[in-house]
Amino acid sequence: DQQVKQNSPSLSVQEGRISILNCDYTNSMFDYFLWYKKYPAEGPTFLISISSIKDKNEDGRFTVFLNKSAKHLSLHIVPSQPGDSAVYFCAADPSGGGADGLTFGKGTHLIIQP
Amino acid sequence: DGGITQSPKYLFRKEGQNVTLSCEQNLNHDAMYWYRQDPGQGLRLIYYSQIVNDFQKGDIAEGYSVSREKKESFPLTVTSAQKNPTAFYLCASGTSGYEQYFGPGTRLTVT
Repeated sequence: DQQVKQNSPSLSVQEGRISILNCDYTNSMFDYFLWYKKYPAEGPTFLISISSIKDKNEDGRFTVFLNKSAKHLSLHIVPSQPGDSAVYFCAADPSGGGADGLTFGKGTHLIIQP
Repeated sequence: DGGITQSPKYLFRKEGQNVTLSCEQNLNHDAMYWYRQDPGQGLRLIYYSQIVNDFQKGDIAEGYSVSREKKESFPLTVTSAQKNPTAFYLCASGTSGYEQYFGPGTRLTVT
C-alpha cells in the first residue's frame, strides 16, 4: 500500500521553462515533506522541504507547494536547466521528528530538453 | 571533509553467501538508516538506528541484519535468507532535524 505516490514516471520539459513535479500522499499524519534529487548510481541529495504548517517554501529556483486538504504537494523548478535532468523523489516523514526513516515515492525522471 | 562513505561501490557475490556493506559517517549524526532501491522503485527502509547499540526494523528487514557499535558506523549484512538481494543499497544519516543525508550507494549483484 503506497503511502506516497508520484504518478508520473517521467516528465520532459524544455530548457528555460517551468518543471512541475507532483506528489500525492494518503496518510494525513504526515507532517513534513522533502524532495530529493538523484543521479544514476549516486545517492539522493536533499533539495527542499516543507512543514505541514506552511503551504509554500522557496529556495532559489525551487519552490514546493503543499495542499493539505488535497494531500498533494508539488515541486516547481523555474527556469529549468540541463543539470536538472535527474530522478526526483518525494518523501514524507511518517512519525514526526524525522528519526524513524522516510517514506519515499517511486520517483519522477525529469528530462530537460535543449 | 564531512560526509557519508559507503564501500565498496560495486559488490558481487554468489547466492548463499552473506555479505556486509559498510557505511561510515563523520557528520556526528545520531541517526543512521539503510534503504534499498530497485529499478523503477522508490527507496524502501530496511533498518534504522537512532542511537548507538539500538536499532529498529524498517519496512523490509527480513533477510538483513545490522549493528551499531559506534556512532560513526552502521554496517548492513545481507544474509542468504534475503530472497532478492540484488539491488542498490543506500545508507543515510541525520540529526534530530528531518533531512537525511545519503552516501553514494553500493550496487550489490548476487548470482
